[in-house]
Amino acid sequence: NAGVTQTPKFQVLKTGQSMTLQCAQDMNHNSMYWYRQDPGMGLRLIYYSASEGTTDKGEVPNGYNVSRLNKREFSLRLESAAPSQTSVYFCASSERGITEAFFGQGTRLTVV
Amino acid sequence: AQKITQTQPGMFVQEKEAVTLDCTYDTSDPSYGLFWYKQPSSGEMIFLIYQGSYDQQNATEGRYSLNFQKARKSANLVISASQLGDSAMYFCAMRGGYGGSQGNLIFGKGTKLSVKP
Repeated sequence: NAGVTQTPKFQVLKTGQSMTLQCAQDMNHNSMYWYRQDPGMGLRLIYYSASEGTTDKGEVPNGYNVSRLNKREFSLRLESAAPSQTSVYFCASSERGITEAFFGQGTRLTVV
Repeated sequence: AQKITQTQPGMFVQEKEAVTLDCTYDTSDPSYGLFWYKQPSSGEMIFLIYQGSYDQQNATEGRYSLNFQKARKSANLVISASQLGDSAMYFCAMRGGYGGSQGNLIFGKGTKLSVKP
């Protein structure tokens, strides 16, 4: 019973490099989210997908793109990484409606 | 726009005592949900408790209860009989039920709780 799985767990990038963070959930949830967590800032929503085939910007979308590949998978792409994108990234999923979200273990990304 | 405010960056509590973590929110949605999550030093996000905007009674889950005051737009978390393992970051979150905010789960900045032996 995996829940929400994120890969990788740790990553170091050089400025300008690109990478994709992968997220998959096995709970048949409709909604999926990407957050970033920075000290003192809480969790800030980057993008979310209310259902397969739809994506919407959150609070801090600049510098990121997302793909809802299918109902299970929601990926986050950094096209040209910047030091300001150093953060811990969380993927989450939830059922449709006002229900709790389940989180992955997080990805610690450092951009040097 | 929706907003969650947690005004206590850090709190201390003596082991076995109760503690209240504050959360206020702002939304124009008539239907919404309020959540509390715990984040221990290991980093995972653990769901604690949920309160729906139409729920007549305050939510409770074991030692956690949610003091929901709708008119004041507050949703404070009460932890009774604190334990050393309660030391963690606690986040208040809200999810709207209608329109553009549907599905959008937003978080406050968190409160770091330290339990003293």
